[in-house]
Amino acid sequence: DTAVSQTPKYLVTQMGNDKSIKCEQNLGHDTMYWYKQDSKKFLKIMFSYNNKELIINETVPNRFSPKSPDKAHLNLHINSLELGDSAVYFCASSPAGTSGYNEQFFGPGTRLTVL
Amino acid sequence: DAKTTQPTSMDCAEGRAANLPCNHSTISGNEYVYWYRQIHSQGPQYIIHGLKNNETNEMASLIITEDRKSSTLILPHATLRDTAVYYCIVRMYSSASKIIFGSGTRLSIRP
Repeated sequence: DTAVSQTPKYLVTQMGNDKSIKCEQNLGHDTMYWYKQDSKKFLKIMFSYNNKELIINETVPNRFSPKSPDKAHLNLHINSLELGDSAVYFCASSPAGTSGYNEQFFGPGTRLTVL
Repeated sequence: DAKTTQPTSMDCAEGRAANLPCNHSTISGNEYVYWYRQIHSQGPQYIIHGLKNNETNEMASLIITEDRKSSTLILPHATLRDTAVYYCIVRMYSSASKIIFGSGTRLSIRP
């Protein structure tokens, strides 16, 4: 299936640990994103990469480090996890913005719980 | 902050048209109106977008007022599967342009 996929779907971990969330899209898109949805259901953009280059960084703590090994993958690594990092993290992708409409396709989300 | 204002919640009878309003009085000339929805526990799903003309696709219709300060998303024949939070967003036509989600409208479809 053509889609945006994320692994794992659920992640439960202790405070202070380091964890990674992986995202892959097979839609041939150039741009990928990470969003955080907190307990109040507000969805906020964290990062955006276009062809492996960072184009949006929304004042996210530097404990969060996105890594794009190629344009089909955008992984999110989180160091020293804190209780406030508990949220659902969504990955998304979109075609190149200058050549067409900019619909974003979202993955199923990763529910991170920090204990 | 989101540049749109939507009602917190609405309900609609199954089979009827659901009309979801959105105010975006500060929209600028190069900003589009986008609609997404989020069904419980899933990722947001794109519905439709427009600049100034009314738009229709297989999912919905988008009616934008002439002054572009408000719009209405129309689901012509709502089903129970349309129960979701609907987000109205204004943004520029660029991948570098952020999607800023507001609190959206929680639409409930009653049988």
